[in-house]
Amino acid sequence: NAGVTQTPKFQVLKTGQSMTLQCAQDMNHEYMSWYRQDPGMGLRLIHYSVGAGITDQGEVPNGYNVSRSTTEDFPLRLLSAAPSQTSVYFCASSYSGTSNSDEQFFGPGTRLTVL
Amino acid sequence: GQSLEQPSEVTAVEGAIVQINCTYQTSGFYGLSWYQQHDGGAPTFLSYNALDGLEETGRFSSFLSRSDSYGYLLLQELQMKDSASYFCAVRMRNRDDKIIFGKGTRLHILP
Repeated sequence: NAGVTQTPKFQVLKTGQSMTLQCAQDMNHEYMSWYRQDPGMGLRLIHYSVGAGITDQGEVPNGYNVSRSTTEDFPLRLLSAAPSQTSVYFCASSYSGTSNSDEQFFGPGTRLTVL
Repeated sequence: GQSLEQPSEVTAVEGAIVQINCTYQTSGFYGLSWYQQHDGGAPTFLSYNALDGLEETGRFSSFLSRSDSYGYLLLQELQMKDSASYFCAVRMRNRDDKIIFGKGTRLHILP
């Protein structure tokens, strides 16, 4: 198993550019989520999904879109990048809340800088 | 609203025991989880308490008391490699499984 993979690992954008951060998991997890983490800060939930075709907003959804067309993939789209979106982005996956294990598996992160 | 409160920093000595607390202002969750994150790395899962009481995994133990809206992570025989940030998290039962995290506790270990 590759676990949770994220691409790219690093990215520099100019203000106003758009891009998609990729996330994939091969564990057949129902739940997938995106977090951003700013220096010295905790994990803030951007968007999450409880299954293919279902997405919902987290704490900081503005400026980001997601879709979940398959169980495996959960891309995060930045519509028009702003310097305030400079951050480290983590994708995570887990089984649903009905399982006995609540372990979330995190990808290695994407370090994004917006100039 | 839902929130999880943790101390921002804790300092302890190598070989000692340290407790990191997590108090919450939410209800209707499946259980309390703990994650460790080293600088530059991704969070990794440490433990999960579905029921009240103590769960032990090697040098790490975690405790949950739903009646007191309180949990903690206990680290014993501290090693320098335990220097990291520690996050508590809950999965909401009635909010489409949304998982929320505390802001994290930075653990500093002195030799």
